[in-house]
Amino acid sequence: DGGITQSPKYLFRKEGQNVTLSCEQNLNHDAMYWYRQDPGQGLRLIYYSQIVNDFQKGDIAEGYSVSREKKESFPLTVTSAQKNPTAFYLCASSSIDGNNEQFFGPGTRLTVL
Amino acid sequence: DAKTTQPPSMDCAEGRAANLPCNHSTISGNEYVYWYRQIHSQGPQYIIHGLKNNETNEMASLIITEDRKSSTLILPHATLRDTAVYYCIVRPYSGAGSYQLTFGKGTKLSVIP
Repeated sequence: DGGITQSPKYLFRKEGQNVTLSCEQNLNHDAMYWYRQDPGQGLRLIYYSQIVNDFQKGDIAEGYSVSREKKESFPLTVTSAQKNPTAFYLCASSSIDGNNEQFFGPGTRLTVL
Repeated sequence: DAKTTQPPSMDCAEGRAANLPCNHSTISGNEYVYWYRQIHSQGPQYIIHGLKNNETNEMASLIITEDRKSSTLILPHATLRDTAVYYCIVRPYSGAGSYQLTFGKGTKLSVIP
């Protein structure tokens, strides 16, 4: 099946620790995205990448880092500098032409204790 | 900030049509109207998009007013599985900003048995 996978679904970390969330897609999409969602709120863009080895900051990039070494993978690191890291993290991908409808993964719920 | 306004919640009887309104009075000529929905604790799902003509697909219909300042998403025969938060989003079809989906709080649709 083609799609986007995020693992794990639930993640717990102690305060002050960096944590990396995985996102893999086999849709052959050039663009990938990371969003954050807080309870009762819409999604906010953290980072996006239109091509391998290139990425751009979104609206709330502070305290996060990404890499795009392979087309299929776009891992997100939540660093200790992120003041409120507990949230639902969603990864998406799209083509870069035409409609570029975004396809979303199932999300990772991160809780920092 | 989101460029759309939606009611926070709506109810619909199962089997009836669900009509979800969206105001986007500042929409620009090169911006499309997109609709996504998010079932609880899952990633958002693309539904439909349009520029100025009415659109229909297997999931829904999109009616855009002639002045393009508002639109309505229609689910013709709502089922319990349509219970979700529905997001109306405007974005440029290409160029700057076309990669970003700006989510507001959406409309929480509850389909009642």
